[in-house]
Amino acid sequence: DAMVIQNPRYQVTQFGKPVTLSCSQTLNHNVMYWYQQKSSQAPKLLFHYYDKDFNNEADTPDNFQSRRPNTSFCFLDIRSPGLGDAAMYLCATSRDNRVRDVAKNIQYFGAGTRLSVL
Amino acid sequence: AQTVTQSQPEMSVQEAETVTLSCTYDTSESDYYLFWYKQPPSRQMILVIRQEAYKQQNATENRFSVNFQKAAKSFSLKISDSQLGDAAMYFCAYKGAQKLVFGQGTRLTINP
Repeated sequence: DAMVIQNPRYQVTQFGKPVTLSCSQTLNHNVMYWYQQKSSQAPKLLFHYYDKDFNNEADTPDNFQSRRPNTSFCFLDIRSPGLGDAAMYLCATSRDNRVRDVAKNIQYFGAGTRLSVL
Repeated sequence: AQTVTQSQPEMSVQEAETVTLSCTYDTSESDYYLFWYKQPPSRQMILVIRQEAYKQQNATENRFSVNFQKAAKSFSLKISDSQLGDAAMYFCAYKGAQKLVFGQGTRLTINP
């Protein structure tokens, strides 16, 4: 009964070869997030969707893009992966992030996709 | 911008003992939430406990409790009766009007 599912768990790609990571959720949450987490570091937010409204972080490289075709699915596209993009990528969801209600702001995480770049 | 600081990169504790993980944060907001997340090796991050800033009472979830000191901007996590399954990376996180901000994490080892 996993609620936030990321596929694949491990992904190997070649330097410069586009790669797509996927995330799905069964929680029907409005908000979906993508984080990059490097070894023993805190997760770094790349962007999030509030429903269909895309919100990019100012320091997210243009190499990273995202799509959310429907409520349940969200994709992370890395157009030209570099060696520095090797990391764990975490997807998370929350019911909301614009209202003052702690329960709605709780983020639920997937198990992550570990990306290796050769 | 808000910042979250976890000053203990690593901690260890004997099984069945109690351990406290430290977290401090910096903010000018008066209304916010604080969380402790647990990330076991190769497994998903899960919420351990949450605290609303307007609540004076410290949150408790079974063996997990917090010491929330709003004036000092401190939010420590106490784990009682530590178990082997508590071994993980623990992240303190702050949520105000903007995005969730994580500390750098504390790696907790449980010694049998």
